[in-house]
Amino acid sequence: EDQVTQSPEALRLQEGESSSLNCSYTVSGLRGLFWYRQDPGKGPEFLFTLYSAGEEKEKERLKATLTKKESFLHITAPKPEDSATYLCAVHLNDYKLSFGAGTTVTVRA
Amino acid sequence: DSGVTQTPKHLITATGQRVTLRCSPRSGDLSVYWYQQSLDQGLQFLIQYYNGEERAKGNILERFSAQQFPDLHSELNLSSLELGDSALYFCASSVLALADTQYFGPGTRLTVL
Repeated sequence: EDQVTQSPEALRLQEGESSSLNCSYTVSGLRGLFWYRQDPGKGPEFLFTLYSAGEEKEKERLKATLTKKESFLHITAPKPEDSATYLCAVHLNDYKLSFGAGTTVTVRA
Repeated sequence: DSGVTQTPKHLITATGQRVTLRCSPRSGDLSVYWYQQSLDQGLQFLIQYYNGEERAKGNILERFSAQQFPDLHSELNLSSLELGDSALYFCASSVLALADTQYFGPGTRLTVL
């Protein structure tokens, strides 16, 4: 069965302490992998779209990479405002968007 | 601000009642998607409409229905409400129907008492 798994579930970082979030997927035909940021009680905010293995995208302190089986979201020198839940989603063969459970990142000053 | 609007922001109702949630997509977007997010289930895809027609269905209950109107706004109707229907309901929109980036609205928080 097609599946999206994110790890870790939670990540506590000190300000400036870089780290990576993982999104692994098992789909028979990936048609796009998406990263979103979600603050409590708010709608997911679009960050990146990746379509093919080897692709990388950057935005401020965030960098997303994609391989054939997983994607990483690297957070470089995070600040407290980077605290949020980061969601990974993939388009399945029937074009539905399937979300992982998310990684909740807390950055302490 | 994604450009997707949803009303109302909050809705409190009783079991057995019916409610309607409204969504206006970003200007130029033809596809509208509805999602349910509860604490124990995460974001679950419910249904997609593209230019007025139903395009894909997810884990949508028979008590729930949706439609997209000629002006492209969409409504999600929830009937015979149960306590377990309490959740955040999000609408998203995209330009196309297939493998396209979706932009989410701020959501409607539904509380069923």
